[in-house]
Amino acid sequence: KAGVTQTPRYLIKTRGQQVTLSCSPISGHRSVSWYQQTPGQGLQFLFEYFSETQRNKGNFPGRFSGRQFSNSRSEMNVSTLELGDSALYLCASSTGGEYTGELFFGEGSRLTVL
Amino acid sequence: DAKTTQPPSMDCAEGRAANLPCNHSTISGNEYVYWYRQIHSQGPQYIIHGLKNNETNEMASLIITEDRKSSTLILPHATLRDTAVYYCIVRTNLGGTSYGKLTFGQGTILTVHP
Repeated sequence: KAGVTQTPRYLIKTRGQQVTLSCSPISGHRSVSWYQQTPGQGLQFLFEYFSETQRNKGNFPGRFSGRQFSNSRSEMNVSTLELGDSALYLCASSTGGEYTGELFFGEGSRLTVL
Repeated sequence: DAKTTQPPSMDCAEGRAANLPCNHSTISGNEYVYWYRQIHSQGPQYIIHGLKNNETNEMASLIITEDRKSSTLILPHATLRDTAVYYCIVRTNLGGTSYGKLTFGQGTILTVHP
């Protein structure tokens, strides 16, 4: 079956703009998590959605937000972009529920902020 | 989640077994050991996980010591395509703050040589 799909794969924005990234999970998966990867901080957890509700969140400012739709697709938004937001943004899906086992990651969206 | 310690880098000859160690001395009874790898510019890939028994799948074997304070990931016949960063992660599977969250360290850069 199809894996996790993230769009767009690459994008360039300027400081102050906002960006929306999309993630389609594996069919049947109800949980979607988002991660940021930078050379300096490595992979860091942003937040997780299940059944259209945010269940968990990491330590990121409020400029980072997300949502999940009834078909489990998810979007994340970053407003008022800063240079430090340049990163690979990864989405991962899992079956969800109380047991949160292995996560399956997409290829990521690489954001460059100029 | 318990902290893990991994060597920053390791080398392995193609066709030989690659043994990647991980220390997790503060692991608690309900925490699992997970292994993921990330090949350059791709999303992390789930490899294997276990609680206290040794586990094997088509990709690798996981050996967990009896006191559960350390583990070893074994790639039985390493190939050039196994060159990647390998992450050892300890986490509970029972919801709450673990929903969708993996705490990645710096991992081990495994280089497989011809």
